[in-house]
Amino acid sequence: DTEVTQTPKHLVMGMTNKKSLKCEQHMGHRAMYWYKQKAKKPPELMFVYSYEKLSINESVPSRFSPECPNSSLLNLHLHALQPEDSALYLCASSPLDRTASSPLHFGNGTRLTVT
Amino acid sequence: AQSVTQLDSQVPVFEEAPVELRCNYSSSVSVYLFWYVQYPNQGLQLLLKYLSGSTLVKGINGFEAEFNKSQTSFHLRKPSVHISDTAEYFCAVSRTGGATNKLIFGTGTLLAVQP
Repeated sequence: DTEVTQTPKHLVMGMTNKKSLKCEQHMGHRAMYWYKQKAKKPPELMFVYSYEKLSINESVPSRFSPECPNSSLLNLHLHALQPEDSALYLCASSPLDRTASSPLHFGNGTRLTVT
Repeated sequence: AQSVTQLDSQVPVFEEAPVELRCNYSSSVSVYLFWYVQYPNQGLQLLLKYLSGSTLVKGINGFEAEFNKSQTSFHLRKPSVHISDTAEYFCAVSRTGGATNKLIFGTGTLLAVQP
């Protein structure tokens, strides 16, 4: 069982829809991440939150809007997506006290299909 | 900037045979090194990590890796594989001293264990 929980597991949405992906962890980690993974490709970093503040945005289009309402929750709001945005969206967390040496704990992801 | 190269996109191997998955990295600064495994329809799970000290690192599920600074390599090995080891394996690096763990992944190697 993963300690990072992502919902929903699967999501199908039209290009005009608005939806949200949710991620939750209760390990006390203060860094949380969103990754996008296309089929047969490595994960690509989208956003990083440190102490509930956005610290890294890897030039992600504005149709993806992250939110970190508290230290345990991370959301990704989706609006006006394109079919090429279809992918596995992974959430991860890590402790901040050891920064770059801390391994990331990943959730099982949300499989998003944009029609 | 850092980069990771996994030259083998797929490694077929028979059950109970040994296996080596290759990883080479490039960096002008010190890095931490990681191997993650991704089973079908799941997120990534840490296999092992190299931070400092002994160059031979042991991980979960009988895997080990050896850090070779002169060859800038971090190859993953297992002396005897099982069918259940079939998965995608990602090598990753992060820059030491970074404010967060910004992982850079290799392209992945599919380990296909055959009976």
